[in-house]
Amino acid sequence: ETGVTQSPTHLIKTRGQQVTLRCSSQSGHNTVSWYQQALGQGPQFIFQYYREEENGRGNFPPRFSGLQFPNYSSELNVNALELDDSALYLCASSDRAGANVLTFGAGSRLTVL
Amino acid sequence: AQSVTQPDIHITVSEGASLELRCNYSYGATPYLFWYVQSPGQGLQLLLKYFSGDTLVQGIKGFEAEFKRSQSSFNLRKPSVHWSDAAEYFCAVGAREYGNKLVFGAGTILRVKS
Repeated sequence: ETGVTQSPTHLIKTRGQQVTLRCSSQSGHNTVSWYQQALGQGPQFIFQYYREEENGRGNFPPRFSGLQFPNYSSELNVNALELDDSALYLCASSDRAGANVLTFGAGSRLTVL
Repeated sequence: AQSVTQPDIHITVSEGASLELRCNYSYGATPYLFWYVQSPGQGLQLLLKYFSGDTLVQGIKGFEAEFKRSQSSFNLRKPSVHWSDAAEYFCAVGAREYGNKLVFGAGTILRVKS
């Protein structure tokens, strides 16, 4: 059973650029959630995808968007990057039937200069 | 709104000593409660969870937690800490009404001294 894999592991961007982060969910999981973890803070919910549709969103602006593909993998896109977007972005997958039990990936560390 | 408070930012314990990490939550409905651990450069690993039933739950690596509704707490305990337990620990709360969204505390960094 493979876990949740994320890519890239680290990346550096400049203000105003756009970034795409990728996530492959754990085998058998059909729901993907994205969290932002700023330095020294706990993860904050960005949004969740289920059956390729957004299924809940946290307090993040529209420049944060996502996709889920038929194989349940997912992308997080962030446009017009700001310095405060520097964070660890965590992807988590879950089995809809196993409510709230999330399996996390190791994250993508984004630095915005 | 849901919120989770972990009052201790840092805790240092001696190897072999007991450990208790505190977690208080604010939530109107019946919560689901979790403890996750994060090692440097790693994602979050689930230690244990509480959905319903027995209020004392056992997890991996010898950890346990007790749900106390009257105190809105879900403290994590371990009777004897090992050096490998040094990491950051996060308490999180969810609820059926909110799907799979979790609200996390700010974390407690555990240091283990030999």
